[in-house]
Amino acid sequence: NAGVTQTPKFQVLKTGQSMTLQCAQDMNHEYMSWYRQDPGMGLRLIHYSVGAGITDQGEVPNGYNVSRSTTEDFPLRLLSAAPSQTSVYFCASSYLGWGQPQHFGDGTRLSIL
Amino acid sequence: TQLLEQSPQFLSIQEGENLTVYCNSSSVFSSLQWYRQEPGEGPVLLVTVVTGGEVKKLKRLTFQFGDARKDSSLHITAAQPGDTGLYLCAGVGTDSNYQLIWGAGTKLIIKP
Repeated sequence: NAGVTQTPKFQVLKTGQSMTLQCAQDMNHEYMSWYRQDPGMGLRLIHYSVGAGITDQGEVPNGYNVSRSTTEDFPLRLLSAAPSQTSVYFCASSYLGWGQPQHFGDGTRLSIL
Repeated sequence: TQLLEQSPQFLSIQEGENLTVYCNSSSVFSSLQWYRQEPGEGPVLLVTVVTGGEVKKLKRLTFQFGDARKDSSLHITAAQPGDTGLYLCAGVGTDSNYQLIWGAGTKLIIKP
């Protein structure tokens, strides 16, 4: 019973590099979302998707891209990494929407040098 | 913009003591969720409250949703070291986006 799987768990990048954070869920959830968590700031929504082929911006979308070609996968792309993007990134999914329980992965800890 | 303020930000108490964590807003929420997060892991849902005035109990944890659905509290009785973690509240907004609004969290440490 995998739930939400995020890879990698840790990553160090140099400024200007690009990379993709992977997120997969096996619960057939329609809603998927990406958050970043910084000390003292709680969870901030980056991008979200309400179903395959549909994505939208959250609170802090700049510098990030997403796509949702399948129900299971929701990758997050950093286009040109900046030190301000150093954070812990969490992917979450839920069955029908925001009022439903959010199931989180274990996060990706990303450092940008 | 709807905001959720959690207090205290940090709490360190001895095993066996009682504590209350607050989640407050000037806005109305259609429902509110409480999560606990342990180091190196994602948040895990503890409870969802939906009705104004609702009280839910989860063993030694008691959750209450305010009558006006603008605030919530989490009370822990006889805290144990296993209660240590980051407690987050999240409200479903009533504005056009209906997104989850997250509090900044309360870091709780229970000392043996």
